[in-house]
Amino acid sequence: DAGVIQSPRHEVTEMGQEVTLRCKPISGHDYLFWYRQTMMRGLELLIYFNNNVPIDDSGMPEDRFSAKMPNASFSTLKIQPSEPRDSAVYFCASSRTLGITEAYGYTFGSGTRLTVV
Amino acid sequence: DAKTTQPPSMDCAEGRAANLPCNHSTISGNEYVYWYRQIHSQGPQYIIHGLKNNETNEMASLIITEDRKSSTLILPHATLRDTAVYYCIVKMHNFNKFYFGSGTKLNVKP
Repeated sequence: DAGVIQSPRHEVTEMGQEVTLRCKPISGHDYLFWYRQTMMRGLELLIYFNNNVPIDDSGMPEDRFSAKMPNASFSTLKIQPSEPRDSAVYFCASSRTLGITEAYGYTFGSGTRLTVV
Repeated sequence: DAKTTQPPSMDCAEGRAANLPCNHSTISGNEYVYWYRQIHSQGPQYIIHGLKNNETNEMASLIITEDRKSSTLILPHATLRDTAVYYCIVKMHNFNKFYFGSGTKLNVKP
């Protein structure tokens, strides 16, 4: 298994531009999560999906951020327009539905380092 | 919303056991203890989890006190590659959000 795949690994963009981050979860996983990590705020959960449906987007900072999951193997996180304070590492993670005796963890991707100048 | 307390940093000599403590005094009966680590510039990596019994896998051992108010992650023979931030998280098994606190920065020194 290739694990959770994120692209691009690095993104540098100018303030005001649209940025799209991509994630391919592990095959068979039905949960997908987007996190953001900064030095000041640590790891923050932005949104998560179950079976391609957004379940909780309470962590999305503002309307400039949007996330979609059109199918089980692909998700995007879009920032429009981007601002310098959006600079962070964005991680995608996936997991599968837990059985009665399971208490499984997430598998994280390698992240996308976003720099907005 | 972190419900755990960890020391901000610890040092460990290479080859020695690293014992990372975590306090979770408000843990409820159906909450598990999870440990993740994050090596610099990488995504967090699952290490181990447990409910009440001690657990061991190829990476580490997890010791949970009888009252479940604290736990210790043990890396039996730390290597330089174990230098990372270690996160202790408590969560119900069917609650799908993981909240990461500040963690413990483990420095393994030669």
